[in-house]
Amino acid sequence: AQSVSQHNHHVILSEAASLELGCNYSYGGTVNLFWYVQYPGQHLQLLLKYFSGDPLVKGIKGFEAEFIKSKFSFNLRKPSVQWSDTAEYFCAVKRGGSQGNLIFGKGTKLSVKP
Amino acid sequence: DVKVTQSSRYLVKRTGEKVFLECVQDMDHENMFWYRQDPGLGLRLIYFSYDVKMKEKGDIPEGYSVSREKKERFSLILESASTNQTSMYLCASSPRGGLSPTYEQYFGPGTRLTVT
Repeated sequence: AQSVSQHNHHVILSEAASLELGCNYSYGGTVNLFWYVQYPGQHLQLLLKYFSGDPLVKGIKGFEAEFIKSKFSFNLRKPSVQWSDTAEYFCAVKRGGSQGNLIFGKGTKLSVKP
Repeated sequence: DVKVTQSSRYLVKRTGEKVFLECVQDMDHENMFWYRQDPGLGLRLIYFSYDVKMKEKGDIPEGYSVSREKKERFSLILESASTNQTSMYLCASSPRGGLSPTYEQYFGPGTRLTVT
């Protein structure tokens, strides 16, 4: 069965530290990849997405992610985190050509200390 | 802006009750989804629908059913609520999938259901 693995359950950083959240998926075919964020008390919202082309994708709020096909990975990065980045982050995968189902990872909670 | 609304933010029901959770989207999206979100388990798909009157089981459909009589509305039904169905329920919608470059799912605010 397809799966999405997020390596860290909870990450704690100080402001200005660099962030990298890992995401690996198990499906071998064409995929579309997403990172969603859920700020405390708010809706899940899209941070960034990859469909094709440049494997380095830039999203909102200074986030970026790199698709490495050979490693089945789509890690999320930010050079310098802020307290306002405290949230839960979810990686998701959609198989190319499928109707629309996303498979989500279990999420990584990020806590940024001021 | 896409808007996905859910009928209640918080709901408390008793064991054995029939529970209806409503979701409405205003962007004419073909696809609609119901997930439950539990700490440490992420989002798990309960049911989804690609069109009116169509439904497909997701990963955890047991104890749930759905109804999609109109394109904009997707209802989740707990036939006989149990305490293990206490959870956050999220509705989402998206345009039809496939190769669309604009594809993404838009989420509602969630309904926190407590079954006592």
